[in-house]
Amino acid sequence: AQSVTQPDIHITVSEGASLELRCNYSYGATPYLFWYVQSPGQGLQLLLKYFSGDTLVQGIKGFEAEFKRSQSSFNLRKPSVHWSDAAEYFCAVGGGYQKVTFGTGTKLQVIP
Amino acid sequence: DGGITQSPKYLFRKEGQNVTLSCEQNLNHDAMYWYRQDPGQGLRLIYYSQIVNDFQKGDIAEGYSVSREKKESFPLTVTSAQKNPTAFYLCASRQKGNTGELFFGEGSRLTVL
Repeated sequence: AQSVTQPDIHITVSEGASLELRCNYSYGATPYLFWYVQSPGQGLQLLLKYFSGDTLVQGIKGFEAEFKRSQSSFNLRKPSVHWSDAAEYFCAVGGGYQKVTFGTGTKLQVIP
Repeated sequence: DGGITQSPKYLFRKEGQNVTLSCEQNLNHDAMYWYRQDPGQGLRLIYYSQIVNDFQKGDIAEGYSVSREKKESFPLTVTSAQKNPTAFYLCASRQKGNTGELFFGEGSRLTVL
């Protein structure tokens, strides 16, 4: 069965510092991978996605993620965090005819 | 503008009552999904539908029911059999068979009094 693990429940970073959110997945075939962001009480917005090709994908708001098949990972990164990046971030796997499975999320707090 | 509309945004229910959450999309997507979100548990799949008049149970379907009579609509009924219905419910859609992402509504928060 497919699954996603986000080991960090909560992360605090200073504004302007770099950020890396971890995501590990389990999937029986070539995975389709996603990162979403959610503000409190809102729906989810797609940051970026990976299906094939270049393992480093660029997304919106300056985010990027790297697919590492050998480590079953798809970590999200941003070189310099802004206060507006404070939100909850979800990694997800699945696509095509398969259901999409989400991780438990990582809450990001940004301090001045 | 195309998108997904969920209603109501907030809903209160007494124990023992059924309640139906609405989800409408004008994106012409074939597939629609219902997720439940609880703090610290991420999103869990309740039901999904890849085509009109067909739907499949997700991971936590007990106590819920759905219908898919129209491509645009995928209502979710939370029945009295659902033991812990208080949660945030999210509806999503995407093109069937496409590697594209899910598009989400703004969610409905159900509170059982």
